[in-house]
Amino acid sequence: AQKVTQAQTEISVVEKEDVTLDCVYETRDTTYYLFWYKQPPSGELVFLIRRNSFDEQNEISGRYSWNFQKSTSSFNFTITASQVVDSAVYFCALSEVNYGGSQGNLIFGKGTKLSVKP
Amino acid sequence: NAGVTQTPKFRILKIGQSMTLQCTQDMNHNYMYWYRQDPGMGLKLIYYSVGAGITDKGEVPNGYNVSRSTTEDFPLRLELAAPSQTSVYFCASSNRDRAFYEQYFGPGTRLTVT
Repeated sequence: AQKVTQAQTEISVVEKEDVTLDCVYETRDTTYYLFWYKQPPSGELVFLIRRNSFDEQNEISGRYSWNFQKSTSSFNFTITASQVVDSAVYFCALSEVNYGGSQGNLIFGKGTKLSVKP
Repeated sequence: NAGVTQTPKFRILKIGQSMTLQCTQDMNHNYMYWYRQDPGMGLKLIYYSVGAGITDKGEVPNGYNVSRSTTEDFPLRLELAAPSQTSVYFCASSNRDRAFYEQYFGPGTRLTVT
C-alpha cells in the first residue's frame, strides 16, 4: 500500500546544530515523485524540493540537503547549522505516477515538528 | 501576483449549517485540489479537478461537494456541517505540464464546527 511515514513527531534542537528529518515511503509504483514541504507557524505550505524515482543523486541547496535512497525507500532531509527561522512542521509527500499521480495527487506523511531554540 | 487565495481565513459553523470555501488562482493552472489537515496529521485529498468542468473524488470526499466552472475558481461546499469537519482546509493548484511538480498552496481556511 502507498504510504509515507515520518516517525519523528517532534524534534527540538539548539541553533547551529545539524538536524535530519526522516522520511520512509511505501509505493506500488515504479515511477513516482517525492516532495518535501515546509509549514511555518503562519500556516502556509511552502514547496522545498521534488525528486523523481529515477534520480538518486543527493541534492544540496544552501543549508538544506536531501538524501534519496531507493534501496531503503527513504528520502531524508538534513538542515545544517539550523536557525530559529527553520522552526516549522516539515512534510514529506509521495506522488505515484500510475496511481493518481498523473493528476498530481499527493500522499502526505504526518509531518515532523522542528523547534530550533536560540 | 496573488497565487492561490482562499476565503475566509477563519469560520465557525454550527452543526447542520452549510458554507462554501472559496479558492481562486491566477496562475492559469488547470489542476486544482482541496485538502484538509487535521491536528497532528498530514494533508488528505478531498477533491481535485483537472480542468474546468471536470472534478473527481480524492481520499475523503464525504460531506463535501465541488464545482469548477472556470479555470480560476474551485469552491468547496460543505453541506450539513458536522464536528468531524473541523479542520484546516487548503486549496492548491498546479500546471498540467508540471503535474508532478510542486503544487502551490493557498494560506488555508480554519473551520470549526460546534
